[in-house]
Amino acid sequence: DVKVTQSSRYLVKRTGEKVFLECVQDMDHENMFWYRQDPGLGLRLIYFSYDVKMKEKGDIPEGYSVSREKKERFSLILESASTNQTSMYLCASSSDPGLAGGSSYEQYFGPGTRLTVT
Amino acid sequence: QQPVQSPQAVILREGEDAVINCSSSKALYSVHWYRQKHGEAPVFLMILLKGGEQKGHEKISASFNEKKQQSSLYLTASQLSYSGTYFCGTVGSYGKLTFGQGTILTVHP
Repeated sequence: DVKVTQSSRYLVKRTGEKVFLECVQDMDHENMFWYRQDPGLGLRLIYFSYDVKMKEKGDIPEGYSVSREKKERFSLILESASTNQTSMYLCASSSDPGLAGGSSYEQYFGPGTRLTVT
Repeated sequence: QQPVQSPQAVILREGEDAVINCSSSKALYSVHWYRQKHGEAPVFLMILLKGGEQKGHEKISASFNEKKQQSSLYLTASQLSYSGTYFCGTVGSYGKLTFGQGTILTVHP
């Protein structure tokens, strides 16, 4: 059974803190993604990675960075958390070896991390 | 640019039908549909590729009109388990999947 896990379901951090969100997939997928989900805005892509140590900016990369040192693990980093980064963060993976996002491959999502920055 | 979904929300009684539309301003190569139940991860429903095909998944089916850059999701004889937020995702020329804002579907007994 395919699985994407995220390190925390809930996280509370203070403004200015450095925050790490971890995602692990056990499907040997090439592509991994980080989204944030906000009411009325849907899922917006922050960053994605199509291979180890490779990364591409998504639609809203400002204030975030990512790291992919191993194929199964993709980390999202908030260098200095701000209150406008309070959101639900979803990680996903897919096996599409071609273009990012996968024109014909489904994405598997993790359960999400609800981050609150105070 | 995000595709636009309509309606934003729909309320049904069990057994009723619903249609959710997804529209893009750019040429599309494929459309994905996902459903997210409250407190859970989004789950894949189906992918529609260029060619105007219609696909089905239980009593949920979808169509894709690439000329109009639109897709529609059809929910027939809705069940309580259909409640959730439905997202379309569109794939354009750069291959990136971009999700719409979601449609909240609520089915009452």
